[in-house]
Amino acid sequence: SQKIEQNSEALNIQEGKTATLTCNYTNYSPAYLQWYRQDPGRGPVFLLLIRENEKEKRKERLKVTFDTTLKQSLFHITASQPADSATYLCATDQTGANNLFFGTGTRLTVIP
Amino acid sequence: DAGVIQSPRHEVTEMGQEVTLRCKPISGHNSLFWYRQTMMRGLELLIYFNNNVPIDDSGMPEDRFSAKMPNASFSTLKIQPSEPRDSAVYFCASSITGFQPQHFGDGTRLSIL
Repeated sequence: SQKIEQNSEALNIQEGKTATLTCNYTNYSPAYLQWYRQDPGRGPVFLLLIRENEKEKRKERLKVTFDTTLKQSLFHITASQPADSATYLCATDQTGANNLFFGTGTRLTVIP
Repeated sequence: DAGVIQSPRHEVTEMGQEVTLRCKPISGHNSLFWYRQTMMRGLELLIYFNNNVPIDDSGMPEDRFSAKMPNASFSTLKIQPSEPRDSAVYFCASSITGFQPQHFGDGTRLSIL
């Protein structure tokens, strides 16, 4: 069955460092992948979308890569700040379905 | 622009009672999604509408759950009768089409005692 995994439940890093979050998928080939940020008590907020034919996408301090050979996406936050502390969710389209399939998220804490 | 609006934000009720959650999507969005989020299972899709028509309800846990979208600006998710295991945060999201980025409301935190 189709499966999407975010390897780390939680990640702590020092302010100023680059945070790298991982999203792996198995048993399917999504056409695109999205990353969302979720703060406590709030709904997820869309950050970036990358398509299968794109290797990399950037937005300010954020960078996403999509490796269809490794079946993996990496999400980077450079020059991390305490305000970046949140849970980050990856999501892909599902084969034969017109909706998103979410990972369980990685809780990032940036330590001042 | 107003985002997706959900009500109520919190609901506490006793087992066996009927619960109705409400959602107003963003104007112009054709797709609407209901999700349930728990610590154990993460964010799970319950049902998805396109142009007010239910497309996929395979995520609805059982017959106690039902959802309607009578028009483009309103949807409800109903649980009858409610059970303690239904306790979770329920999110509504909308998007221009199913593949586009989704805009989420801030959820309804439901507690069934």
